[in-house]
Amino acid sequence: QKEVEQDPGPLSVPEGAIVSLNCTYSNSAFQYFMWYRQYSRKGPELLMYTYSSGNKEDGRFTAQVDKSSKYISLFIRDSQPSDSATYLCAMSALTGGGNKLTFGTGTQLKVEL
Amino acid sequence: NAGVTQTPKFRVLKTGQSMTLLCAQDMNHEYMYWYRQDPGMGLRLIHYSVGEGTTAKGEVPDGYNVSRLKKQNFLLGLESAAPSQTSVYFCASSYSEGVAGANVLTFGAGSRLTVL
Repeated sequence: QKEVEQDPGPLSVPEGAIVSLNCTYSNSAFQYFMWYRQYSRKGPELLMYTYSSGNKEDGRFTAQVDKSSKYISLFIRDSQPSDSATYLCAMSALTGGGNKLTFGTGTQLKVEL
Repeated sequence: NAGVTQTPKFRVLKTGQSMTLLCAQDMNHEYMYWYRQDPGMGLRLIHYSVGEGTTAKGEVPDGYNVSRLKKQNFLLGLESAAPSQTSVYFCASSYSEGVAGANVLTFGAGSRLTVL
């Protein structure tokens, strides 16, 4: 079983829809949680960063972390065609040996006109 | 700002050939990483470095070597390429632990390698 599980999709939604992307994890030591967005043939870029449990909002994006359930979510409101990309969750623990991230496999999202 | 630059962007090799991928960052980051990305497998850490002159193995280090002779550069070498090393390789960098936002990695655009 992988440390981080993420549904690969693809997920297709109409423009303006609310999108919910999720990851589950098994390592209770994870304390830092991130969402990266990756456009086709590009490198991942950071979208959201959260420490420990709680919510964080940035414009149309909201990240939620529920450490008790080992479950993180990314919500996209009023989705746009430009949101079409692969979304990767990532997480790390305080290890003292480098900021090694463990990634989910990514969920491919397509927002259609 | 250049950020993280990878060269080359594309390369085709024959089995048994060797090559080096170069990563350069201009953000004065202490830590650097090499990942590979394969369909259904996500990003997997190959090797990483926590400072000039130091390297360490990640999740999938076999068949690869790395060097960090200068703080801004991190080289990934394949001594004898195999078809299983066909992948997209990403370099990333970050601040050291203890610095605000240290867990945030900045990625390069990727190097697409095909081994025939």
